[in-house]
Amino acid sequence: DVKVTQSSRYLVKRTGEKVFLECVQDMDHENMFWYRQDPGLGLRLIYFSYDVKMKEKGDIPEGYSVSREKKERFSLILESASTNQTSMYLCASSFGREDTEAFFGQGTRLTVV
Amino acid sequence: ILNVEQSPQSLHVQEGDSTNFTCSFPSSNFYALHWYRWETAKSPEALFVMTLNGDEKKKGRISATLNTKEGYSYLYIKGSQPEDSATYLCAFMKPGYALNFGKGTSLLVTP
Repeated sequence: DVKVTQSSRYLVKRTGEKVFLECVQDMDHENMFWYRQDPGLGLRLIYFSYDVKMKEKGDIPEGYSVSREKKERFSLILESASTNQTSMYLCASSFGREDTEAFFGQGTRLTVV
Repeated sequence: ILNVEQSPQSLHVQEGDSTNFTCSFPSSNFYALHWYRWETAKSPEALFVMTLNGDEKKKGRISATLNTKEGYSYLYIKGSQPEDSATYLCAFMKPGYALNFGKGTSLLVTP
């Protein structure tokens, strides 16, 4: 059974904290993605990676960074959490081909207080 | 940002009704068009990945068509069941294989 696993289902952090969201996939996928989902705005791409140590900015990268030191792991980092980063965060992975689907993690509901 | 538009935003149908949703996307530099179903408290799951103009795909009571020249795709559900209640997401694949999602169509099927 293919799996994308996010380290936490729910997180509560304080404004200004550095926050790490971890994602691990076991499918040997080249591509990994971080999205956030907000009511009325749909899924928006924050960052993606197509190989180890490679990263590309998505549509809303401000306030975030990422790390991909190993193929199976993709971390999203909130350098200094703010209340407007309260959201549902979804990690996904896929092969580097146009004819294959993406697989999603279960999501992390982050609340910044 | 490459815009993907989905309509309607939400839909409420009775069990047994057939329904359809629309996804429009940029028709230039087409790579692929994906449909996902996202049920409450679960992860989005792929329904279809479509790459060729004129593609038609079917999975049970759900089917999809693709027109890359005019930039639209339709998702059809025949004989809707309560378990079809979910948000249906359309996504356009960008260069680099990232997916650009529409805002989704929320479907509620009541008995």
